[in-house]
Amino acid sequence: EIVLTQSPATLSLSPGERATLSCRASQSVSTYLAWYQQKAGQAPRLLIYDASNRATGIPARFSGSGSGTDFTLTISSLEPEDFAVYYCQQRGNWPPSTFGQGTRLEIK
Amino acid sequence: EVQLVESGGGLVQPGGSLRLSCAASGFSFSSYWMSWVRQAPGKGLEWVANIKQDGSEKYYVDSVKGRFTISRDNAKNSLYLQMNSLRAEDTAVYYCAREIIVVVEDYWGQGTLVTVSS
Repeated sequence: EIVLTQSPATLSLSPGERATLSCRASQSVSTYLAWYQQKAGQAPRLLIYDASNRATGIPARFSGSGSGTDFTLTISSLEPEDFAVYYCQQRGNWPPSTFGQGTRLEIK
Repeated sequence: EVQLVESGGGLVQPGGSLRLSCAASGFSFSSYWMSWVRQAPGKGLEWVANIKQDGSEKYYVDSVKGRFTISRDNAKNSLYLQMNSLRAEDTAVYYCAREIIVVVEDYWGQGTLVTVSS
């Protein structure tokens, strides 16, 4: 089973700043990595799939990059609604698909 | 509009059974893989199982193999999760999700809470 490790666990930034979230896989997943956003009390929302493809309706300030074992989600300029928990998920070696433990993005 | 509505959650004793349902609307249900993902209280996401469009392929996380069964009824636009031999560690919100491509969940329901406790 592939283990995904997200860093940092918590990221404290201000609106307008740039956010960089990391996800590292225990072995290569090629580019088969997705990113989700989850707000308190809500279901997750797909942001990015296959490392760099934005899902339908996702603003251009969200971008993904990486391949193999190292991936990054970048939010170019934080909006107030972006403060949430972010998860990465791999499908490069499934079943099972696995998720990272999450990064909490909080307002500084 | 794509909608996924889960039902069937509740309180069950260890060793008991529960059947979750997910009613889908707003898309061609029979054209998509579907999955269940769960989230224990205050914890992260865990992929549980998925099923191919015609039900011919099903996959599970090891922790539920032999206890949970995923199924679907395309005529009723419904997804199911039969959960047997439930354990305390199965306590979670269970989400039904549509897979835009295999194991990439683009639409999620609001979730249904399953609590396993005596």
